[in-house]
Amino acid sequence: DAGVTQSPTHLIKTRGQQVTLRCSPKSGHDTVSWYQQALGQGPQFIFQYYEEEERQRGNFPDRFSGHQFPNYSSELNVNALLLGDSALYLCASSLISEWGELFFGEGSRLTVL
Amino acid sequence: SQQGEEDPQALSIQEGENATMNCSYKTSINNLQWYRQNSGRGLVHLILIRSNEREKHSGRLRVTLDTSKKSSSLLITASRAADTASYFCATDGDYKLSFGAGTTVTVRA
Repeated sequence: DAGVTQSPTHLIKTRGQQVTLRCSPKSGHDTVSWYQQALGQGPQFIFQYYEEEERQRGNFPDRFSGHQFPNYSSELNVNALLLGDSALYLCASSLISEWGELFFGEGSRLTVL
Repeated sequence: SQQGEEDPQALSIQEGENATMNCSYKTSINNLQWYRQNSGRGLVHLILIRSNEREKHSGRLRVTLDTSKKSSSLLITASRAADTASYFCATDGDYKLSFGAGTTVTVRA
């Protein structure tokens, strides 16, 4: 049973560019949450997707957007990249009807130059 | 902003010793969770304690929760080198987690 998978694992972009990160949830899970973790900090909630809709959102600008597909996989898009967007982006999946433990992927390390 | 705050920020112990870290939070919660992260990798769930529970055990882990003081503690007994990691508490409200900045634990052989 595959856990949460994320791609790519590492990527380097320059300021102003756009990036798309991908996440496949654990088998059977229907909810995907995205977190940003800056170096030395705890993860910060970006947004959550359920039934292909953004269910709730953290304190992140509109440059951060996402999507959930019918197979429950999800994408995180960041436009107009800033140096401060450099971070580890973590995807977590869960089952909305049994809310509790989140299953995290290994993350996508984004470096903005 | 982060809901929880862990204390201490860093902890270094000898193998076999116990490690204790604390978490304080600000608002009321449904439950509180602890996660482990090894060197910039994904987070692994350790334990969830509900707001009506006071103590919970899982293997070498013991978690307490004091809702009147808005605090929780994680105790790792008989630590091993493999316990070297960052530990985060996360408060759970409205289907999203708010994490603290974490405690970095180093277990020396």
